[in-house]
Amino acid sequence: GDSVTQMEGPVTLSEEAFLTINCTYTATGYPSLFWYVQYPGEGLQLLLKATKADDKGSNKGFEATYRKETTSFHLEKGSVQVSDSAVYFCALTAGNMLTFGGGTRLMVKP
Amino acid sequence: EAGVAQSPRYKIIEKRQSVAFWCNPISGHATLYWYQQILGQGPKLLIQFQNNGVVDDSQLPKDRFSAERLKGVDSTLKIQPAKLEDSAVYLCASSLDGLEVGYEQFFGPGTRLTVL
Repeated sequence: GDSVTQMEGPVTLSEEAFLTINCTYTATGYPSLFWYVQYPGEGLQLLLKATKADDKGSNKGFEATYRKETTSFHLEKGSVQVSDSAVYFCALTAGNMLTFGGGTRLMVKP
Repeated sequence: EAGVAQSPRYKIIEKRQSVAFWCNPISGHATLYWYQQILGQGPKLLIQFQNNGVVDDSQLPKDRFSAERLKGVDSTLKIQPAKLEDSAVYLCASSLDGLEVGYEQFFGPGTRLTVL
């Protein structure tokens, strides 16, 4: 079945550091890929998405590129802020069901 | 635009008791989802409704879990009887049309259930 694997956290960075959170997937067919973010005390929010190979999703300074050859969708940001502290979930859908990774907690220190 | 509403936000019960959660999706959203998120894991889909019909309930433990969406709007999820391993956050989400790939799912704040 479909699955998503994320790097384990927590990831602790200083403000303005470069962020990479790795995500790889296994799926039959051609999935759409997503990053969701969960801020403390809040619900999951869609951060960005890509629906086909080589697409780049971007939002709020975050980027991820759909790499079919490496089955990856790594999340990057050039300069993180304290307000980016949250849990990040990589997810895919190849039909009408979202399959999530286990989540990566990011902590940004001032 | 109001978001997905869920209640209660927190619930503590003893094992073998029953519990119910309520969800009101975003107005006009045809598709409603219930997810279970165990601490430290990603959300897992329990059931998906399209209007008032069930699209997918393959991962719902039907011996103890039930869900309904009678008028195609709000929904309830029930657990009876609860087990210790049911301790989790129960998330409700909605989308305009879940049968079309790419429609964004909007999530509620969740109900945190603790079973003692």
